[in-house]
Amino acid sequence: KNQVEQSPQSLIILEGKNCTLQCNYTVSPFSNLRWYKQDTGRGPVSLTIMTFSENTKSNGRYTATLDADTKQSSLHITASQLSDSASYICVVSAGTGFQKLVFGTGTRLLVSP
Amino acid sequence: NAGVTQTPKFRVLKTGQSMTLLCAQDMNHEYMYWYRQDPGMGLRLIHYSVGEGTTAKGEVPDGYNVSRLKKQNFLLGLESAAPSQTSVYFCASSRQGTANYGYTFGSGTRLTVV
Repeated sequence: KNQVEQSPQSLIILEGKNCTLQCNYTVSPFSNLRWYKQDTGRGPVSLTIMTFSENTKSNGRYTATLDADTKQSSLHITASQLSDSASYICVVSAGTGFQKLVFGTGTRLLVSP
Repeated sequence: NAGVTQTPKFRVLKTGQSMTLLCAQDMNHEYMYWYRQDPGMGLRLIHYSVGEGTTAKGEVPDGYNVSRLKKQNFLLGLESAAPSQTSVYFCASSRQGTANYGYTFGSGTRLTVV
């Protein structure tokens, strides 16, 4: 069964600190892995998309890593800001034709002043 | 650019009532999708469309119907609402459904069925 598991479920950090969110997946056949940011009451917004051959990708203060061998990904947030408070969702794309997206349940991050 | 626009943003229905959720995109995307998001669960695909005039079932299609009469619009219908359909509904679009094309999501419709 295709699954995406994220940890922790929730996290509180102080403004300016760094944090790392984890994603483990069992999805086959793997196509790509995406990280989304979802603000409360809004739709998900794409942060990064990584294919099998990419092991790191950055988007400003967000850096995603991918280890396709262990089927793990992480999202590192540097120098957190209050606006980083949101849910972060790991999504794995499966298939070679039309791609099915398998969504994790997200990590809810709160950045405290 | 508006991106993906969903209407309405909130709605309360009584059990058995019907309604239609509207999704409009202005990016000329071929693919459109309807997802539902429930507490403690990842987004789940209800129906999708690979182009104007086409529709297909996703993971959880029961109780819903869709139509894509125009490329920019994707409608989700509930013919007889049930409390189990209380959820947040997201529409999304992508240029294609293959490879690494990103999805653009709308801001959601929060539906409560009482």
